[in-house]
Amino acid sequence: DQQVKQNSPSLSVQEGRISILNCDYTNSMFDYFLWYKKYPAEGPTFLISISSIKDKNEDGRFTVFLNKSAKHLSLHIVPSQPGDSAVYFCAASAVGSARQLTFGSGTQLTVLP
Amino acid sequence: DTEVTQTPKHLVMGMTNKKSLKCEQHMGHRAMYWYKQKAKKPPELMFVYSYEKLSINESVPSRFSPECPNSSLLNLHLHALQPEDSALYLCASSQELRGVDIQYFGAGTRLSVL
Repeated sequence: DQQVKQNSPSLSVQEGRISILNCDYTNSMFDYFLWYKKYPAEGPTFLISISSIKDKNEDGRFTVFLNKSAKHLSLHIVPSQPGDSAVYFCAASAVGSARQLTFGSGTQLTVLP
Repeated sequence: DTEVTQTPKHLVMGMTNKKSLKCEQHMGHRAMYWYKQKAKKPPELMFVYSYEKLSINESVPSRFSPECPNSSLLNLHLHALQPEDSALYLCASSQELRGVDIQYFGAGTRLSVL
């Protein structure tokens, strides 16, 4: 049973527009959420995170929104750039097991020039 | 500096070979991890070391043997692997930050078992 789900395997966006990547979770014990970006032949790179006590965290072009009641989070990238083309993984960490991450299956983002 | 270095980048081995994967970090992190990632799948946790002691083993077959010689190094010893063990093996490290661990990943070792 997948506890973290990314239902869109791929997303294409025009350069300069907003990219919205979605993630749903089922485990109500998750209290910290992270987004990682992965280029081919590289390891995942930490992008941005959010604690369950917040509903928004912003870092430059990247903003993560958390809706706890819906068990849903999203990553907004604006403006999107061709260099943002990568696989984006959502990950979650549960209370009492902060050293374990549960990953979603990833979304391939393609930003078209 | 958030660098985790993994060697080798690529490895091809037969089912009777013994090989080792290496991982190194100099960020002072006290937790280190091994993950396995198959194509188009998320990383799957294999082992977690905390303060150089194995704290989590996710029911990994004994043909995979982890070792943490010191706080900066993590090895994964491989013996009698099967073709289905071919995958990208990722190492990560973390230091609890404000009560939460952010894991930093290496580039991985692409393993092919023939």
